[in-house]
Amino acid sequence: DQQVKQNSPSLSVQEGRISILNCDYTNSMFDYFLWYKKYPAEGPTFLISISSIKDKNEDGRFTVFLNKSAKHLSLHIVPSQPGDSAVYFCAGNAGNNRKLIWGLGTSLAVNP
Amino acid sequence: EAQVTQNPRYLITVTGKKLTVTCSQNMNHEYMSWYRQDPGLGLRQIYYSMNVEVTDKGDVPEGYKVSRKEKRNFPLILESPSPNQTSLYFCASRRSGSRHEQFFGPGTRLTVL
Repeated sequence: DQQVKQNSPSLSVQEGRISILNCDYTNSMFDYFLWYKKYPAEGPTFLISISSIKDKNEDGRFTVFLNKSAKHLSLHIVPSQPGDSAVYFCAGNAGNNRKLIWGLGTSLAVNP
Repeated sequence: EAQVTQNPRYLITVTGKKLTVTCSQNMNHEYMSWYRQDPGLGLRQIYYSMNVEVTDKGDVPEGYKVSRKEKRNFPLILESPSPNQTSLYFCASRRSGSRHEQFFGPGTRLTVL
């Protein structure tokens, strides 16, 4: 049973437009969420996070929104750039300080 | 430069031939872990270590061993590799007090024939 779901395996957007990547979760015990970005032949790199007590966190072009009632979070990238083309992973943590539960990822392609 | 290194990056081996994938971090992180990534299954944790000489099983530990004799190193050992261990492996580390911002190595692509 997948506790973190990224239902869109891929997404294509035009350079300069907004990219919205979605993530749904089932575990109501998650108290922290993270987004990672992964380029081919590299390991994932941390992008942005949000605590469950917040509904928004912003870092430059990246904003994560959390809707706890819907168990849904989204990552917004504005404006999208070709260098943002990568696989984006959503992950949740249930506060046991032990491990993250990962989604399967969404492959984003930003076209010039 | 702060980093997590893994060796080898690519390995093709045969069933039953013991192998070790090394992992080293230079950030003095307490916490280290190993993941495998498979199509349709995402990233799954194999083993983790909270500090030197402290290790524990993750979600898919069968067929793997680890050791943590030094803070910087966390090798992954496959005593008798099998084809179902063909995968992409990542080592990661973080500070014990961080909110799970992990630093990942570049990955090791293992093929077991």
